[in-house]
Amino acid sequence: DTEVTQTPKHLVMGMTNKKSLKCEQHMGHRAMYWYKQKAKKPPELMFVYSYEKLSINESVPSRFSPECPNSSLLNLHLHALQPEDSALYLCASSQGLEYSPLHFGNGTRLTVT
Amino acid sequence: GQNIDQPTEMTATEGAIVQINCTYQTSGFNGLFWYQQHAGEAPTFLSYNVLDGLEEKGRFSSFLSRSKGYSYLLLKELQMKDSASYLCAVRDSNYQLIWGAGTKLIIKP
Repeated sequence: DTEVTQTPKHLVMGMTNKKSLKCEQHMGHRAMYWYKQKAKKPPELMFVYSYEKLSINESVPSRFSPECPNSSLLNLHLHALQPEDSALYLCASSQGLEYSPLHFGNGTRLTVT
Repeated sequence: GQNIDQPTEMTATEGAIVQINCTYQTSGFNGLFWYQQHAGEAPTFLSYNVLDGLEEKGRFSSFLSRSKGYSYLLLKELQMKDSASYLCAVRDSNYQLIWGAGTKLIIKP
């Protein structure tokens, strides 16, 4: 069982919808990540939060908006997405940014119609 | 540029041993990770190497040679459930993870 919980597991949304992905961890980790993964490709980093502050934004379009309300929660707000944004969205956490491994949640399978 | 190479696909027999290689060229090195990913699921952490040598964890072992920019993941006593993709990732000097494309491992009875 994963200790990083993501909701929802599946999401279908239209291009005009606004939705949010949620991620929660209770391992006391101080770094949290959003990744996007297309089929048969490795995960692609989107955002990194360290101590609740955004430390890395990998030139992600503004239709994706991250939020870190506290050290245990991470959200990804979605608005006006495109069909090519359909992918598996993975949340991960680690003790810190430096040496510790990332622990992934089970992901949200997003389909944009 | 930064680059991680691993074979695209490998096939092995149940009960056998398989070695998945990973070579890397990155700007700095702060550790190498191996992850297992079943189709449609999240990556699961397998191992972490930061010093040269072999790390053993049950049926899985991982080896690192920093001077050669090389690692391998060794899987023993293969089981059908080991059929998955295996991802090699290196943490660079900026502490960012650089991912290989993954090796799809197919286990045959």
